[in-house]
Amino acid sequence: QQQVKQSPQSLIVQKGGISIINCAYENTAFDYFPWYQQFPGKGPALLIAIRPDVSEKKEGRFTISFNKSAKQFSLHIMDSQPGDSATYFCAASGGTNAGKSTFGDGTTLTVKP
Amino acid sequence: EAQVTQNPRYLITVTGKKLTVTCSQNMNHEYMSWYRQDPGLGLRQIYYSMNVEVTDKGDVPEGYKVSRKEKRNFPLILESPSPNQTSLYFCASSLFLGTNEKLFFGSGTQLSVL
Repeated sequence: QQQVKQSPQSLIVQKGGISIINCAYENTAFDYFPWYQQFPGKGPALLIAIRPDVSEKKEGRFTISFNKSAKQFSLHIMDSQPGDSATYFCAASGGTNAGKSTFGDGTTLTVKP
Repeated sequence: EAQVTQNPRYLITVTGKKLTVTCSQNMNHEYMSWYRQDPGLGLRQIYYSMNVEVTDKGDVPEGYKVSRKEKRNFPLILESPSPNQTSLYFCASSLFLGTNEKLFFGSGTQLSVL
């Protein structure tokens, strides 16, 4: 049973375009929703995170939109750059099992110059 | 430099030969965790530790053991590795006290079990 579903599996965007990755979760007890960015040969690194008490968080070109009623959240990358080409993972944690983290399957983003 | 260090980076072994992957962090983090990454399956949590001598199962703990005798170290033990444990393994620790928020990941250990 997958608690966090991520889509699309892969995404190709032109330089300067908007990249959008979506995630849906099942457990309403989750209270921390991060996005991680992973480059080939490296470990994931935290990109941006949100809590369910806000609907949007923006850090530079990266924005998380959060819809608590729909149990969905998404990552928007504005003005996508070739350097953004990486694998992105959404995750959810917190609630009754504070130590457990559940990740989505990942989205491979390719930004074409 | 603040970091999570995993060793070895690459490991090839044979079925049934016990192995240990080490993980150490120099940030005094209380929370540490192990994940495996397989193509198309994302990151799946194996075990985590909220503090010294406190460990708990993640989503895929079968075939693995961990221990947390010191705050900085969290080794992953495969007592009888099998080919289905061939995977990319990541150790992580958390910035925030007692939580798994803002995880810092190591560089990974690529394990092949023949």
